Amino acid sequence: EVQLVQSGAEVKKPGGTVKISCKVSGYRFTDYYMHWVRQAPGEGLVWLGLLDPEEGETFFAEKFQGRITMTADTSADTAYMELSSLTSEDTAFYYCATSSLLLPSFDLLDFWGQGTLVTVSS
Amino acid sequence: EIVLTQSPGTLSLSPGERATLSCRASQSLSRSQVAWYQHKPGQAPRLLTYGPSFKATGIPDRFSGSGSGTDFTLTISRLEPEDFAVYYCQHYGSSVNTFGGGTKVEIK
Repeated sequence: EVQLVQSGAEVKKPGGTVKISCKVSGYRFTDYYMHWVRQAPGEGLVWLGLLDPEEGETFFAEKFQGRITMTADTSADTAYMELSSLTSEDTAFYYCATSSLLLPSFDLLDFWGQGTLVTVSS
Repeated sequence: EIVLTQSPGTLSLSPGERATLSCRASQSLSRSQVAWYQHKPGQAPRLLTYGPSFKATGIPDRFSGSGSGTDFTLTISRLEPEDFAVYYCQHYGSSVNTFGGGTKVEIK
């Protein structure tokens, strides 16, 4: 069974940095891209970016360029997303998500983590 | 980046009715790489359709995706009580993905 288990809720101060982990099981970690998506309170889904765990290559939404990092520890089957220069607008649920063998694109998101709430408040 | 605009923002319908959700892209998508997701409060989003007319595993026949170029549609032929949720379209397959702003399907 495929599972993506994220780290727990975080409270950060404006200007700070948050790092969220996403540990996978049930498939070979390096076979599929890992995407990160967020949802702020009352808002829609926003795609943040993706990481190829095998190559280490990343692509980010233009809005987050310069303050987002995505990495992977392949020995621990874990992906990380780090967001810096936090403001109250970064308060949101953050999800990791990945594809599956049944789908024709690594960008179709079939499996999701449970979400991590990040609250940015002074 | 491609921008996806969904309409309407909210759709108020009764169970048994047909729902038609629209997703318009800011430029033509030559490979029609648009997917639709359903999202309910407290749950992870669920992939419904992609490509744009293929259904993901386990998705009921009442859900269908269609479209080409800049205009894409998700149709729910007869709404069941469990279908009331927020629906998002996604452009995928390029190095940068995007989601539309969402359409909430609520009970009238």
